[in-house]
Amino acid sequence: AQKVTQAQTEISVVEKEDVTLDCVYETRDTTYYLFWYKQPPSGELVFLIRRNSFDEQNEISGRYSWNFQKSTSSFNFTITASQVVDSAVYFCALKNTGNQFYFGTGTSLTVIP
Amino acid sequence: NAGVTQTPKFRVLKTGQSMTLLCAQDMNHEYMYWYRQDPGMGLRLIHYSVGEGTTAKGEVPDGYNVSRLKKQNFLLGLESAAPSQTSVYFCASSPRTSGGHLSYEQYFGPGTRLTVT
Repeated sequence: AQKVTQAQTEISVVEKEDVTLDCVYETRDTTYYLFWYKQPPSGELVFLIRRNSFDEQNEISGRYSWNFQKSTSSFNFTITASQVVDSAVYFCALKNTGNQFYFGTGTSLTVIP
Repeated sequence: NAGVTQTPKFRVLKTGQSMTLLCAQDMNHEYMYWYRQDPGMGLRLIHYSVGEGTTAKGEVPDGYNVSRLKKQNFLLGLESAAPSQTSVYFCASSPRTSGGHLSYEQYFGPGTRLTVT
């Protein structure tokens, strides 16, 4: 069975602080794909990053970085120097070799000015 | 390109009424999906389609039907709406996996907010 757990339901940080959003996944497949999406207050879902199970290289994109660790089945997302515009719900998702995506329940991030 | 569009954006139904939500994409994507989003539940897959004329059940298919008569359109039907179907519905599409170690992300529509009273 596939499962994605985002244990942090809500997080509040003060602007300019760093924040890490946790994502733990379960799958028996050796080939799988992990994603992060952002859902701002406007409601649309915005793709942030994709990572496959054979690529454990961490990635940095501006203030965003992702840490993928197969040993702990985690794909954590860090925002450095958070800004008010980062306030959103963030979803982690897993796709195995089938056609379905499995989403976590999301983490609501509030950045306080 | 309009991307993924959903019609309507809002709808209020009475219990027992029926309706159809339309999803359209202009990216020539093979795969299309319908999700519902409820507070604290994340996105749950209702039905999906891997190509024109084919559909499959997702995690929460009961009470819904779908059809994919044209590649660009994916319809979600509620035959007899119930208050438990009050939710925000998202459609998504993605290209066919090209093989190897690549899987594409999903592109989402703006959502349809449905209230069943």
